[in-house]
Amino acid sequence: GQQLNQSPQSMFIQEGEDVSMNCTSSSIFNTWLWYKQDPGEGPVLLIALYKAGELTSNGRLTAQFGITRKDSFLNISASIPSDVGIYFCAGHSTYNTDKLIFGTGTRLQVFP
Amino acid sequence: NAGVTQTPKFRILKIGQSMTLQCTQDMNHNYMYWYRQDPGMGLKLIYYSVGAGITDKGEVPNGYNVSRSTTEDFPLRLELAAPSQTSVYFCASSYGGSYGYTFGSGTRLTVV
Repeated sequence: GQQLNQSPQSMFIQEGEDVSMNCTSSSIFNTWLWYKQDPGEGPVLLIALYKAGELTSNGRLTAQFGITRKDSFLNISASIPSDVGIYFCAGHSTYNTDKLIFGTGTRLQVFP
Repeated sequence: NAGVTQTPKFRILKIGQSMTLQCTQDMNHNYMYWYRQDPGMGLKLIYYSVGAGITDKGEVPNGYNVSRSTTEDFPLRLELAAPSQTSVYFCASSYGGSYGYTFGSGTRLTVV
């Protein structure tokens, strides 16, 4: 099945550092979503983006809907230990309206 | 609101046994999904439903069955469990893909 390419696959950073990750697709999406999965839990929606070029923040998190509509970016500023988890991007297109396409995930580890 | 509730949280099955993973949501969502997540991997869609009485296969449907007799419930049936079905199973629901999914907290299944 189709999956979005997320990079990096994993990150090991020190507390206080900023984090950037991205998601790319070969096809156009109308909606981009970012989820976080805490260890042992289900993914939780962080940010939803609905327009090309849109920049949306949620606390220390900022996400952008790429101009080409084929990519999206997530930044986390001043990381803290509770940022640990797996971050998934997901895209929705009008050609496949029933379901989201999920990225492969970025695993984030934060060291004190 | 309870959101999406999955039961059981943990289960150990012997090879060849059968079981049903329960999923119920109280948000009146039409769309419901079953995913599996293998260790260190992303989410793979097993089955999904766009409304009561309608189900469709995802990427990895073999060895599983579903039914959707009500809007609230979407059980996943494993027949003749195999070690390859050892995984964490997540149920999710949505108003529609572009709105994002609400995930349950997962069922961790081990087949021995």
